[in-house]
Amino acid sequence: EPEVTQTPSHQVTQMGQEVILRCVPISNHLYFYWYRQILGQKVEFLVSFYNNEISEKSEIFDDQFSVERPDGSNFTLKIRSTKLEDSAMYFCASSEGQGGEKLFFGSGTQLSVL
Amino acid sequence: TQLLEQSPQFLSIQEGENLTVYCNSSSVFSSLQWYRQEPGEGPVLLVTVVTGGEVKKLKRLTFQFGDARKDSSLHITAAQPGDTGLYLCAGAKYGGSQGNLIFGKGTKLSVKP
Repeated sequence: EPEVTQTPSHQVTQMGQEVILRCVPISNHLYFYWYRQILGQKVEFLVSFYNNEISEKSEIFDDQFSVERPDGSNFTLKIRSTKLEDSAMYFCASSEGQGGEKLFFGSGTQLSVL
Repeated sequence: TQLLEQSPQFLSIQEGENLTVYCNSSSVFSSLQWYRQEPGEGPVLLVTVVTGGEVKKLKRLTFQFGDARKDSSLHITAAQPGDTGLYLCAGAKYGGSQGNLIFGKGTKLSVKP
């Protein structure tokens, strides 16, 4: 069964450093998303991406965050200058159509900012 | 701010028992989804309900969307240890992209043999 893959599974970084989280969405999917889950809290929407541009973003997704689809398969989330409060599990998801009826999530990248 | 409140937060039952998990909001959603999440994994979609009053069944799991599209329930019949996990509801806001989901905090279910 096709799946969304995320790398790395764990990332430890120092505060102020840049990190790039990588995702390979399901190949025929057109809509891509990033979510995050701080330990013990709800899964939160960050951003949706379609046709090489951001279609929607949340208040969390400030200027420190950016997304990119550098080639035909990868979808990345960059955090320019990490803060302690960025520590969370980051999930990539993709869907075939804009109807979010079927979002497929990756296994996540656990980001720890020290 | 739209919120989804799930109850109960924790549920521990014996194998064979029935249970219901609730997902409530004061806001209307265009659709509502139920996910199951295992530790260290991403949420896995179980079902999407779209129409008010809709009922969907997935083996021993029955999902219902409230008539007003503000609430939903998940009922499990004859629970088994394999049903143990975190169950999340997530709603799609009206006027937002369908992939912009608001998640509840989840119900952690433990089914003891």
